[in-house]
Amino acid sequence: DTGVSQDPRHKITKRGQNVTFRCDPISEHNRLYWYRQTLGQGPEFLTYFQNEAQLEKSRLLSDRFSAERPKGSFSTLEIQRTEQGDSAMYLCASTGSASYNEQFFGPGTRLTVL
Amino acid sequence: LAKTTQPISMDSYEGQEVNITCSHNNIATNDYITWYQQFPSQGPRFIIQGYKTKVTNEVASLFIPADRKSSTLSLPRVSLSDTAVYYCLVGDKGTGRRALTFGSGTRLQVQP
Repeated sequence: DTGVSQDPRHKITKRGQNVTFRCDPISEHNRLYWYRQTLGQGPEFLTYFQNEAQLEKSRLLSDRFSAERPKGSFSTLEIQRTEQGDSAMYLCASTGSASYNEQFFGPGTRLTVL
Repeated sequence: LAKTTQPISMDSYEGQEVNITCSHNNIATNDYITWYQQFPSQGPRFIIQGYKTKVTNEVASLFIPADRKSSTLSLPRVSLSDTAVYYCLVGDKGTGRRALTFGSGTRLQVQP
């Protein structure tokens, strides 16, 4: 257990539905990241927060994706009008200021879009 | 960003030492080398990080030659529980790019 939690762990939805995932980072970490991982591939960066500010977004993050981190604590990732191609593991990670390269990952939310 | 190249898969037996080599020919002066481990259905876990020469912790050792164009992760006396995917990453740990860039990793299978 890294101290980063994600909810839910699994989500099955039908195409076209909206889904929302939550990430609770390690409390003293001010940086929070979202990644997406498909089978057989390494995680791909989606977006990054420093405190409550969203500082970077990947081109992978289409207009159907939105992320928030109110008050710089937990974060949510919402996918609107889900598509089958959104099926993946969504990972959250957090880190403090010592080293951006040492990130603490949560267990992930596995999304299946039918 | 420096690109990394590592073997797609490796096989080993319990009790053996496993060495996974990663090539990063275009590593920049400020880049560090970081390794992560990922078990199925879990997020990646930080193993070790280094800049040059040798770094050792309770889990692994990291060997980095003087030219820093490659690095070797060494796992002593592996067990079945070391079966996982191992990722080599290169990046600035300070003020550079803040997100990690993962490749496809090396799938290590440890047999009894």
